[in-house]
Amino acid sequence: EVQLVQSGPEVKKPGESLKISCKGSGYRFTTYWIGWVRQMPGKGLEWMGIIYPGDSETRYSPSFQGQVTISADKSITTAYLQWSSLKASDTAIYYCARHTGLDGIDYMDVWGIGTTVTVSS
Amino acid sequence: QSALTQPPSVSGSPGQSVTISCTGTSSDVGYYNRVSWYQQPPGTAPKLMIYDVRNRPSGVPDRFSGSKSGNTASLTISGLQAEDEADYYCSSYISSSTLVFGGGTKLTVL
Repeated sequence: EVQLVQSGPEVKKPGESLKISCKGSGYRFTTYWIGWVRQMPGKGLEWMGIIYPGDSETRYSPSFQGQVTISADKSITTAYLQWSSLKASDTAIYYCARHTGLDGIDYMDVWGIGTTVTVSS
Repeated sequence: QSALTQPPSVSGSPGQSVTISCTGTSSDVGYYNRVSWYQQPPGTAPKLMIYDVRNRPSGVPDRFSGSKSGNTASLTISGLQAEDEADYYCSSYISSSTLVFGGGTKLTVL
């Protein structure tokens, strides 16, 4: 069974750093793009960016470029989303999702259950 | 890039059909046949319902169908059921190998 298992909820203070994870299983991790989607409280989905674990190539939405870092460790089939200095506005649910399609990133066919990140002083 | 435009809400009675629109531009929805749709019931992760404009993944009922005309894609749900009540999001491939979502539509089954 193809699965994406995300790390647990986080409560952080503004200015702190954070790295959340998403472990893939049941498929060849290095041959699918995997990415992150933000959902702020009561709001819609926002596509943040993706990584190709085979060579660590990344793509970012302009809205998130420079705000977060997406990485992956193919030896443990895990992707990461990282912040160096959190803000209250980073409070959201973050979903990881496997991408696939003609060019490998057309749509998201498998999703994790989400990681809730709360940033509050 | 700007989010795709969806109506905030639609509603229908059981057994009826509803259509949710997703309007982009000639650079995204109008240019690529790579529109997908996702269903998100309250408190759950999104689920892929339609990909590449009109294709259904295995396990998605054929009551769900997708289409596109010009810069607007559409998701139609026929034979509406109570379990279809959820938020629905469209997404399109855009340039530079990135994707963009619509703002989401809340479907209420009356």
